[in-house]
Amino acid sequence: AQKITQTQPGMFVQEKEAVTLDCTYDTSDPSYGLFWYKQPSSGEMIFLIYQGSYDQQNATEGRYSLNFQKARKSANLVISASQLGDSAMYFCAMRSSPDTGRRALTFGSGTRLQVQP
Amino acid sequence: EPEVTQTPSHQVTQMGQEVILRCVPISNHLYFYWYRQILGQKVEFLVSFYNNEISEKSEIFDDQFSVERPDGSNFTLKIRSTKLEDSAMYFCASSEGSSSSYEQYFGPGTRLTVT
Repeated sequence: AQKITQTQPGMFVQEKEAVTLDCTYDTSDPSYGLFWYKQPSSGEMIFLIYQGSYDQQNATEGRYSLNFQKARKSANLVISASQLGDSAMYFCAMRSSPDTGRRALTFGSGTRLQVQP
Repeated sequence: EPEVTQTPSHQVTQMGQEVILRCVPISNHLYFYWYRQILGQKVEFLVSFYNNEISEKSEIFDDQFSVERPDGSNFTLKIRSTKLEDSAMYFCASSEGSSSSYEQYFGPGTRLTVT
């Protein structure tokens, strides 16, 4: 079974500063993928970034980067130069390798980020 | 940019009634999913669908639920005899068929309220 743990129910950050949202995971699968999604107050789920378990480099997408530490089973999201529009709920998720035939995403409980001016 | 669409955006129904939630996945995607999110809680997987059959389902997806792809574009979730605890946001998602593509694109969701 897969499990995602997000220990920060809420975070505050000043505009233009960087913030790290924590995510740890547990799985017995040798190959897996890790995701971060953003959910603004309007409710939609917006894909941010993906990291494969065998990727050699940490994923980056614009202001988002994923600090992947496989030995520690952590996949923290780093948002640089925070903007007011970054205020939202952030979910970490994982899924098994497609080789397993299982594609369901397992989500964490989320972290609510508030960016202050 | 192609996107997943869902209708209606909000559905109110009485306990015991049947509801059908509709989704139009991205046109070249082959895998389709339903997830739900009870207010204030995390997103939970319900079911995945590929090649006109269920490929994976969670323990939440019991006989009360069914999915269908009635034509080449729509993907539906039917909830028979709704219960109060079915009130949630229901998300449809789709993904490509290639094994190297992990990304699931989510629709905007349908908020189901059972009274």
